[in-house]
Amino acid sequence: DAKTTQPNSMESNEEEPVHLPCNHSTISGTDYIHWYRQLPSQGPEYVIHGLTSNVNNRMASLAIAEDRKSSTLILHRATLRDAAVYYCILRALMDTGRRALTFGSGTRLQVQP
Amino acid sequence: NAGVMQNPRHLVRRRGQEARLRCSPMKGHSHVYWYRQLPEEGLKFMVYLQKENIIDESGMPKERFSAEFPKEGPSILRIQQVVRGDSAAYFCASSPRRIPNYGYTFGSGTRLTVV
Repeated sequence: DAKTTQPNSMESNEEEPVHLPCNHSTISGTDYIHWYRQLPSQGPEYVIHGLTSNVNNRMASLAIAEDRKSSTLILHRATLRDAAVYYCILRALMDTGRRALTFGSGTRLQVQP
Repeated sequence: NAGVMQNPRHLVRRRGQEARLRCSPMKGHSHVYWYRQLPEEGLKFMVYLQKENIIDESGMPKERFSAEFPKEGPSILRIQQVVRGDSAAYFCASSPRRIPNYGYTFGSGTRLTVV
């Protein structure tokens, strides 16, 4: 599986935008980029995913570099409830479905009031 | 539409006892995944099941652990003769299909404490 690299931790202030980076220099052309987050004492929660184009949904935006070797999850206005561990995960299109998602160590986001 | 339901939320077992963790996937989801999270660590994949079949158990310890997902009823993760090292949060996720551009839905987990 292609590997992702994320900073261990980041800090943000409430109501400010947050940009969470992810490097995936060995990504293949058919790997999807998924983001999940895990709030304290809860299970992971799907945030967003994309392949080549930037994506937006009600939770966040995903900006994918033109060469696809990196991506950035953007929270437009951080709230205290966004404090969580954010995971960037690659999932192969040609995956026969026999492999489950593999979680790395993620980025722990702290949001200051 | 209820999400993925796991029970119990908290389970305390003495060393040597059996632990049974239940996971009811979302309605219409036939794929179930179990993960384990040790304190202050990331999630580790354990097993992937589809109705009545184990698809991938590469993350399951070879002894004492087993999983099933019967035609009717919830998926069960069973840990026999628990030891202190089994203390962890166990999460279950479900999805309706295998395709990779679809997200998983996770439950809130079962926190197992072995005393």
